[in-house]
Amino acid sequence: SALTQPASVSGSPGQSITIPCTGTSNDIGNYNYVSWYQQRPGKAPQLIIFDVSSRPSGISHRFSGSKSDNTASLTISGLQIEDEADYYCSSYSRGNSVWVFGGGTQLTVV
Amino acid sequence: EVQLVESGGDSVLPGESLRLSCAASGFIFSDYAMSWVRQVPGKGPEWVSTISDNGYDSFFSDSVKGRFTISRDNSKDTLYLQMNNLRAEDAAIYYCAKVNHRGAVAGNFDFWGQGNLVTVSS
Repeated sequence: SALTQPASVSGSPGQSITIPCTGTSNDIGNYNYVSWYQQRPGKAPQLIIFDVSSRPSGISHRFSGSKSDNTASLTISGLQIEDEADYYCSSYSRGNSVWVFGGGTQLTVV
Repeated sequence: EVQLVESGGDSVLPGESLRLSCAASGFIFSDYAMSWVRQVPGKGPEWVSTISDNGYDSFFSDSVKGRFTISRDNSKDTLYLQMNNLRAEDAAIYYCAKVNHRGAVAGNFDFWGQGNLVTVSS
């Protein structure tokens, strides 16, 4: 994948976790169209963060996003069992692909 | 409520063609760029193509350029993806997705369809 994410992260209920997403100066480093998606098994991805740090209507304030240089991050605070899912980052890009995605991070809440 | 409903997915032989459709509702379709994104189960999504709100501009990933065509009918609020000369590596779940910034091609995918499975196998 064009963007690099850890394959898995885990945390306990109530804790906070951060998922990094590393790109290049062609994508994350050059654009603020960085987004994060939550995907549950058998379902379509759902937008949870857009434009680096904005939350769509209806998305919990426990989800937050940030960016520094070529790396974006998703932080989930106050982990809940229902947060277990796959998380994907994405960025607009001036490379060969107009949008690039990460390979996904599986979040386990134990 | 925004809804995107895909149709047209099927199982085909390598080299064959297929057309996917995506019927949109709940928003002003002609105001937004639309995209197709595919995903092999267990893998990350892969952007395929985007078309501008008026249909005049379109963009394709290198992996499908020259074989896939994207189009839209704003009078029917419907997006299409014509896929020709299909290869085994094109097999995936295909999602249509709405770009969130009105009038712009660049942005984020704020709504996705339920997905349509395309299988390419001999």
